[in-house]
Amino acid sequence: DVKVTQSSRYLVKRTGEKVFLECVQDMDHENMFWYRQDPGLGLRLIYFSYDVKMKEKGDIPEGYSVSREKKERFSLILESASTNQTSMYLCASRGPGGNQPQHFGDGTRLSIL
Amino acid sequence: AQSVSQHNHHVILSEAASLELGCNYSYGGTVNLFWYVQYPGQHLQLLLKYFSGDPLVKGIKGFEAEFIKSKFSFNLRKPSVQWSDTAEYFCAVNAYAGKSTFGDGTTLTVKP
Repeated sequence: DVKVTQSSRYLVKRTGEKVFLECVQDMDHENMFWYRQDPGLGLRLIYFSYDVKMKEKGDIPEGYSVSREKKERFSLILESASTNQTSMYLCASRGPGGNQPQHFGDGTRLSIL
Repeated sequence: AQSVSQHNHHVILSEAASLELGCNYSYGGTVNLFWYVQYPGQHLQLLLKYFSGDPLVKGIKGFEAEFIKSKFSFNLRKPSVQWSDTAEYFCAVNAYAGKSTFGDGTTLTVKP
């Protein structure tokens, strides 16, 4: 079974801080994704990566960056956290091919004070 | 650009009632379609998927979905819901090899 592990379940940070959210998958998947989940807005894609050091912007990349130095790890970075980035963040991975489902982590609930 | 629309934001049913959740997508090419479920306090998981073949697909826990190409729809159904089906349900489409697009989600509450 695919395991996607997010480093923190809950995180509280202050405005202006640089915040790192980490995600690790154990299935050698090429594709990894970061979403934020807000009530009534579903899942919105922030960034995704289809290979090491490769990344593409999703629908809401502003204020975020990502890093993928190793295949199993995909990091989301909030360069200067703001209160409107308070949200649930979900990481996912997926094997090759568009017919493969995504596998999700448990999520990180991030509060920016 | 691809988009996904889920018609019902919140559905409330009694146990044993039948369920149908609507999902429409906008993309004219070949699509791969998914329904995911998120039970309270748990991570999102796959309920079922369609990518080719029989347009009626069956998933876990008695759920099924029908792909109707002419209507750009992929509605989720269950003949008789249980209290344990209380969850949030997301429809998703992969039109490009890279990324998925998700609907806004439907919260299902089943009353015992």
